[in-house]
Amino acid sequence: DTAVSQTPKYLVTQMGNDKSIKCEQNLGHDTMYWYKQDSKKFLKIMFSYNNKELIINETVPNRFSPKSPDKAHLNLHINSLELGDSAVYFCASSRTSVANTGELFFGEGSRLTVL
Amino acid sequence: GENVEQHPSTLSVQEGDSAVIKCTYSDSASNYFPWYKQELGKRPQLIIDIRSNVGEKKDQRIAVTLNKTAKHFSLHITETQPEDSAVYFCAASFSGGYNKLIFGAGTRLAVHP
Repeated sequence: DTAVSQTPKYLVTQMGNDKSIKCEQNLGHDTMYWYKQDSKKFLKIMFSYNNKELIINETVPNRFSPKSPDKAHLNLHINSLELGDSAVYFCASSRTSVANTGELFFGEGSRLTVL
Repeated sequence: GENVEQHPSTLSVQEGDSAVIKCTYSDSASNYFPWYKQELGKRPQLIIDIRSNVGEKKDQRIAVTLNKTAKHFSLHITETQPEDSAVYFCAASFSGGYNKLIFGAGTRLAVHP
């Protein structure tokens, strides 16, 4: 039983296209996140939602638009893809959004390659 | 600003030796410091964490120490085994009311038999 699941696992697309990545968690957590891991393995937070409400929005191009239809789902849509968007995108969840409350549970990651 | 620095970026040890990874953080209000292990092609997974009211925490072969005054914390792995080979990330929570973790750049640990 996968706790945090993402689809697709791999995505290869051309520059300028629009693509989406979906994430679902079955842990009953209130808070979900998107992190980007670049080729140097650096993990950087992009967004966080708490019970469908956007609470963290880092300096991310507005081509990236997260959507949370309910607290168990957080999707990421990317418009007009650029070469620099190539990365592994990790979805994660935590029990609450309260600061310092603890563990992030990560999904398996979605490797996006922009050609 | 929000920053976590991690050293070294790569670490190579012989099986059975100890490994130490160090991190420093910028926000003096941070009070939660987890460590994640990421095996090749896999997701990051929590291996140990420490809160600011504790100076040291151990779990079998791994331990974490925290020096709040100096704003640094370290991961210690004893009796390393080849399966410890992975990328290790430190992280610190940042103030602002939300559970926001800022990660270090990672340390690639290689344990040679």
